[in-house]
Amino acid sequence: DQQVKQNSPSLSVQEGRISILNCDYTNSMFDYFLWYKKYPAEGPTFLISISSIKDKNEDGRFTVFLNKSAKHLSLHIVPSQPGDSAVYFCAASDQTGANNLFFGTGTRLTVIP
Amino acid sequence: GEEVAQTPKHLVRGEGQKAKLYCAPIKGHSYVFWYQQVLKNEFKFLISFQNENVFDETGMPKERFSAKCLPNSPCSLEIQATKLEDSAVYFCASSQFYGSQPQHFGDGTRLSIL
Repeated sequence: DQQVKQNSPSLSVQEGRISILNCDYTNSMFDYFLWYKKYPAEGPTFLISISSIKDKNEDGRFTVFLNKSAKHLSLHIVPSQPGDSAVYFCAASDQTGANNLFFGTGTRLTVIP
Repeated sequence: GEEVAQTPKHLVRGEGQKAKLYCAPIKGHSYVFWYQQVLKNEFKFLISFQNENVFDETGMPKERFSAKCLPNSPCSLEIQATKLEDSAVYFCASSQFYGSQPQHFGDGTRLSIL
């Protein structure tokens, strides 16, 4: 069973606008969440993370929001740039457990110039 | 090094042959993780190490798969008697400490079983 879900396989956004990528999880033991960006034939690149004690973390153009009660997190990219076009993976782990990551199935973001 | 280094990039084996994949974690990182990516977008955790000790192997198939992290050597993932279903991209990741630490990934080894 998929414990981390990304229900939108793809998203297209105009350059300069905001990109919002969504992720839902089912396991209430998850307490650390990450977003990775992936280009073809490369490994996932870490973007930003958030611990369950926070509800927002910001790093430059990237902001991650966490809603624990809804078991939902989102990644906001603003302004979006053509170089942001990639597949974005949401991941989660239980830091009191084995620490391994559970991944969503990814959202392909296309930023249109 | 500053990056997780995985070799080879691509490995082709006939069904029934052995396959061995290598991973050098980022220098100073104590934890190493192996993931299998099948069907393009599904990652499956296989095994993790804390230095040379197995930390969690709940994702490892009981038969045919084994892994090691020995001092002063790259970590390795070995598959005996490969099957067609073993075809996947195998990613290695490392993190510095246990806890709220991001894992940093290598570029993967694409294993093709013919």
